[in-house]
Amino acid sequence: GQQLNQSPQSMFIQEGEDVSMNCTSSSIFNTWLWYKQDPGEGPVLLIALYKAGELTSNGRLTAQFGITRKDSFLNISASIPSDVGIYFCAGQNRDDKIIFGKGTRLHILP
Amino acid sequence: DVKVTQSSRYLVKRTGEKVFLKCVQDMDHENMFWYRQDPGLGLRLIYFSYDVKMKEKGDIPEGYSVSREKKERFSLILESASTNQTSMYLCASSLLAETNSPLHFGNGTRLTVT
Repeated sequence: GQQLNQSPQSMFIQEGEDVSMNCTSSSIFNTWLWYKQDPGEGPVLLIALYKAGELTSNGRLTAQFGITRKDSFLNISASIPSDVGIYFCAGQNRDDKIIFGKGTRLHILP
Repeated sequence: DVKVTQSSRYLVKRTGEKVFLKCVQDMDHENMFWYRQDPGLGLRLIYFSYDVKMKEKGDIPEGYSVSREKKERFSLILESASTNQTSMYLCASSLLAETNSPLHFGNGTRLTVT
């Protein structure tokens, strides 16, 4: 079945650093989504990408839909303590189930 | 703003009990989903529903059933709870499948079966 490979699995960074994570797949998707999950909460949608090559920002977050439609990345600039959590990518095709990556756990060192 | 509400944040149940996890969404979404989340395994789809009275098995339906009596409500049922069903359960909803609408999640129910 379809799978998403999300990397890295976890990251330890200093406050103020930029962060980059990505997802790759052997299958193409029409939509790429990025979610964030705070500890003890449900995932919250950060960015939705609907077009190959699309680059979308949401505050300090920037995500891109890869040209091949098989990958996407998420960047966070100037990280702050509240960025801590798990970031999930997800790929979706029309009339099909959404596929989730296993998540990137972001830790910020004091 | 989409609101998906799960009835309990934390539940502790005994092995063999019948457990109901309830979920309500207020955005008139057609699709509703139940996932479980476990460390190292990510989000796994248990059941989903694209319409009232309709249900489809996800990737791990064994030991679970669901009920979609009304459009806004989707309940997950553990017929006879077992310790391996201790997990975080997440309900989600979205618009019609053909719109490629993203999922909106509730805050989760952390279930412990002892």
